[in-house]
Amino acid sequence: KNQVEQSPQSLIILEGKNCTLQCNYTVSPFSNLRWYKQDTGRGPVSLTIMTFSENTKSNGRYTATLDADTKQSSLHITASQLSDSASYICVVSKGGGNKLTFGTGTQLKVEL
Amino acid sequence: EAGVAQSPRYKIIEKRQSVAFWCNPISGHATLYWYQQILGQGPKLLIQFQNNGVVDDSQLPKDRFSAERLKGVDSTLKIQPAKLEDSAVYLCASSPGQGWNTIYFGEGSWLTVV
Repeated sequence: KNQVEQSPQSLIILEGKNCTLQCNYTVSPFSNLRWYKQDTGRGPVSLTIMTFSENTKSNGRYTATLDADTKQSSLHITASQLSDSASYICVVSKGGGNKLTFGTGTQLKVEL
Repeated sequence: EAGVAQSPRYKIIEKRQSVAFWCNPISGHATLYWYQQILGQGPKLLIQFQNNGVVDDSQLPKDRFSAERLKGVDSTLKIQPAKLEDSAVYLCASSPGQGWNTIYFGEGSWLTVV
């Protein structure tokens, strides 16, 4: 069964601190992996998209890594801000199309 | 660039009633998706259109859900009759085409069935 599992389920950190979110997947055949940020009450917004040949990709303070051999990805947030409080969803695309499998997300809260 | 537009943003209906959601994708995007997101879960694909043709509707409960994309632009998702378990956010999304394009989501239509 194609699955995407994320950890931790939720996380609270202080403003200015770094954090790393994890994503493990079993989707096969693998096409690409995406990280989305979803603010409460809003639609998901794309942060990064990586194919199997890419090990790391950055978008500002967000850095995603991908290990296609172990089927693991991480999203590292540097110098967190209050506005980073959101759900971060790992999404894996199967095959050559846009057939996506979504994780249930990590709920991040950044506090003062 | 205008994003994916959805309406209404919020809807409360009684079970067994019907509801319709409208979506206007980003101009020029050939692929349109409808997702259902239940609180605390990731989005689940209901239906995917390529222009005005259906690519994937394998997870659409066809006994009560229907969707159309006339003229390959706007789309409507209808639920009739609604059940309590249909309470969710219905997300419309679009992308330039199939393949590994970025998918752009709308703000969602929040449905509560009471």
